[in-house]
Amino acid sequence: KAGVTQTPRYLIKTRGQQVTLSCSPISGHRSVSWYQQTPGQGLQFLFEYFSETQRNKGNFPGRFSGRQFSNSRSEMNVSTLELGDSALYLCASSLAVEGWGNEQFFGPGTRLTVL
Amino acid sequence: AQSVTQLDSQVPVFEEAPVELRCNYSSSVSVYLFWYVQYPNQGLQLLLKYLSGSTLVESINGFEAEFNKSQTSFHLRKPSVHISDTAEYFCAVSGTDSWGKLQFGAGTQVVVTP
Repeated sequence: KAGVTQTPRYLIKTRGQQVTLSCSPISGHRSVSWYQQTPGQGLQFLFEYFSETQRNKGNFPGRFSGRQFSNSRSEMNVSTLELGDSALYLCASSLAVEGWGNEQFFGPGTRLTVL
Repeated sequence: AQSVTQLDSQVPVFEEAPVELRCNYSSSVSVYLFWYVQYPNQGLQLLLKYLSGSTLVESINGFEAEFNKSQTSFHLRKPSVHISDTAEYFCAVSGTDSWGKLQFGAGTQVVVTP
């Protein structure tokens, strides 16, 4: 079974631009979560989608948004990029079945650099 | 809400020696607990998990962790490490009331030397 895939793997943008990152979950997984990883703040939860609905959201400004499509693929968008948005963005998928405890499988990440 | 504290930011260890990575958590609801490993320039890989049942959980590559509810801890151990165990290890907790969200600790960098 193929794992979680993320595209692109690397991205360089300038301040003020916007960016869209893509995530394809493991086949059959209906939940997709996004995380930001930086050396200073560590791993921080952005949001989670299940069946095209955002069920949970972290403490990030409104510039960070996401969506999920009917095939469970997900995208996240960051508008008006700031230098501090430079990070590794990780996507994780889960079966989200009762009792499975949010066991999540991670993709390799997208490394975003904002200049 | 949940929080996780990993008590050591870096743990140097010699090859074939034992290692213990400490993790404490706090939560107002029941939790699920995980350990993930991250190798350089890669995503996170699930090492082991505690969902319910036996408090001692084991992974296929020799790691084990024990859930201690009274001490709110989930420490990770391996009796004999290899050079290939050099990586960053993250403890994570998920509350039974929190959809799709893992709360991670700050991570512990394990450096194994010959």
